[in-house]
Amino acid sequence: EIVLTQSPVTLSLSPGERATLSCRASQSVSIYLAWYQQKPGQAPRLLIYDASNRATGIPARFSGSGSGTDFTLTISSLEPEDSAVYYCLQRSGTFGQGTKVEIK
Amino acid sequence: EVQLVESGGGLVQPGGSLRLSCAASGFTFSSYWMSWVRQAPGKGLEWVANIKQDGSEKYYVYSVKGRFTISRDTVKNSLYLQMNSLRVEDTAVYYCARGGDWNHYYFDYWGQGTLVTVSS
Repeated sequence: EIVLTQSPVTLSLSPGERATLSCRASQSVSIYLAWYQQKPGQAPRLLIYDASNRATGIPARFSGSGSGTDFTLTISSLEPEDSAVYYCLQRSGTFGQGTKVEIK
Repeated sequence: EVQLVESGGGLVQPGGSLRLSCAASGFTFSSYWMSWVRQAPGKGLEWVANIKQDGSEKYYVYSVKGRFTISRDTVKNSLYLQMNSLRVEDTAVYYCARGGDWNHYYFDYWGQGTLVTVSS
């Protein structure tokens, strides 16, 4: 089973700052990695699929990169509404444990 | 507009059964794999099961094999999850989601979730 490890566990930044979230796979998943945003009491929302493709309606400040075992989700300039937990998902159906982004 | 609406959650005793339903609209239901994903209180996301467009292939996470059964009705545009021999550790919000096959592995639309609580 492929294990996804996300870091950091929590990220605390101010509005306008850049957020960099990491997802590392225990073995190569090629480009088949997606990112989700989940706010309290809500269903997850697809942000990125195939490592770098933004889903429909996702703001351009969200971008994804990486391949193989190392992936990054970048939020270029944080907005207050970006406060959430972010998960990665790989092709075989396993999720990372999540990174909580807090806005100061 | 794609909509997925779950129902059927509730409180059940350990060893009991529950059937979840998901009504789909706004897309061609018969063209997509469908999945159930759950989230225990305060925990992360876990894929539970998925089913092919025609129902001919079904897959489950190891922890629910033999206890849960996923099914679908393309006439009613509905997805189901029959849950038997429920355990305390099955307590979670259960989401219906579109996708989950090898090509469309990501879940692009989700329902609002239905809470299943297994407790005596």
